[in-house]
Amino acid sequence: ETAVFQTPNYHVTQVGNEVSFNCKQTLGHDTMYWYKQDSKKLLKIMFSYNNKQLIVNETVPRRFSPQSSDKAHLNLRIKSVEPEDSAVYLCASSRMGGGANEQYFGPGTRLTVL
Amino acid sequence: QQNVQQSPESLIVPEGARTSLNCTFSDSASQYFWWYRQHSGKAPKALMSIFSNGEKEEGRFTIHLNKASLHFSLHIRDSQPSDSALYLCAVRITGNTRKLIFGLGTTLQVQP
Repeated sequence: ETAVFQTPNYHVTQVGNEVSFNCKQTLGHDTMYWYKQDSKKLLKIMFSYNNKQLIVNETVPRRFSPQSSDKAHLNLRIKSVEPEDSAVYLCASSRMGGGANEQYFGPGTRLTVL
Repeated sequence: QQNVQQSPESLIVPEGARTSLNCTFSDSASQYFWWYRQHSGKAPKALMSIFSNGEKEEGRFTIHLNKASLHFSLHIRDSQPSDSALYLCAVRITGNTRKLIFGLGTTLQVQP
């Protein structure tokens, strides 16, 4: 049963365009994450929010910017996409405690940059 | 910087076989160790976790942790075709960032 929802499922765009992805969780968790899964299936954390506060901000290009309106929603905006941004972007949530608590993943948004 | 490595990269086993997947990590102070499973085109889903040295069994799955050897493993008894998936190990790094570092994964194919 899905409890972490992501939109859109797929997005195809051209180099230089801006894209936005949305994530919502209905589990009542207070921590949410954005991961990037590349073509080699490597899952790498990009950002993490706890109660709307940014707690993890990995070394990602400045064109990536997360936004959290409340603890159930986390969005990701990419300004001026590049070909290397093509990947699956996965949203996840967990209870506070991070690694001690299971992270629940959404189905992902597959981005293709032409 | 935590380094998480998985072996083998891929594995093909017959139905009913016992399967072993391995994960090594570099930070001896790591605390939480996870296995996630991702079926093709689906979201990763937590399979099992272990937080202290030893073994933990849940159904056909057993996880084993040896912190001194910087190694943990997942064993699948009586492998089924439905077990065919990408298996990702993950380790939580020390500190208060609560980050999980994932390995590159092992692709398992169980042949009927």
